[in-house]
Amino acid sequence: GDSVTQMEGPVTLSEEAFLTINCTYTATGYPSLFWYVQYPGEGLQLLLKATKADDKGSNKGFEATYRKETTSFHLEKGSVQVSDSAVYFCALGGSSGGSNYKLTFGKGTLLTVNP
Amino acid sequence: DARVTQTPRHKVTEMGQEVTMRCQPILGHNTVFWYRQTMMQGLELLAYFRNRAPLDDSGMPKDRFSAEMPDATLATLKIQPSEPRDSAVYFCASGLVLSSYNEQFFGPGTRLTVL
Repeated sequence: GDSVTQMEGPVTLSEEAFLTINCTYTATGYPSLFWYVQYPGEGLQLLLKATKADDKGSNKGFEATYRKETTSFHLEKGSVQVSDSAVYFCALGGSSGGSNYKLTFGKGTLLTVNP
Repeated sequence: DARVTQTPRHKVTEMGQEVTMRCQPILGHNTVFWYRQTMMQGLELLAYFRNRAPLDDSGMPKDRFSAEMPDATLATLKIQPSEPRDSAVYFCASGLVLSSYNEQFFGPGTRLTVL
C-alpha cells in the first residue's frame, strides 16, 4: 500500500537558517503530493502541492519538487522565520485511481525556529 | 472565505457519556473525512464519505464510534460510551475530488477530554 516517510523531528533552527525536511513515498500509481502545516492549536493547512512528476510546488517561500526517480518530495525554505514554527506533514493521495480519495500522511516533523 | 467548521471546539466529559462532534464541510465539497490526532499515534483516518455515502470506516472502533452524514451540510461523529483513551483532537476535513488531485481542507478540530 501507499506510505510516506518523513524525517523525524524535532528540528530546531535559528532565524534565517536554511530548512530541509525530507519526505519519501511508496505508491503503486501516480500520486499527488502535498505538504500540510499545522500551527499550534489549529487544524492542518495545505502549504503546497504537486500533481505530477517534476512539478514544483511553492508557497510562502517554501518549495518542494516531485521527484519520481527518487520517490521524494523534500520541503525546503531558504530563510526560516520564527513564525514558521509548526508541525509539517508530507502526504500523498490518489495513487490507486479514481476511487481512492484518501490522503496518506507522514508522522509529521516539528520545526522550532529561534530568534 | 469558505472553511470547514467544527463544534464544539472543546469538550470535557466523563467516562461512559455520549459525545457527539459536528462538522460543516465547505459548500459544494463532496468528500468528508474524520481524523483523530494524538501524540502517540499521530494523525489517524477514522472514516470518510463521498456524496454522503460512507466509503471507508475501517479506522474506527465499530463498537463505540459511529459516523454519519444526515445531509450535505452536516457530518457527525459519535462516541458512545466514551472512554479515557478516546481523549484526542478530532479533525474533520472536506474536499472536492477532481481527476488530478484530492486536496483536503481541515477544520480547527474538537479537543476531547474524557475523564
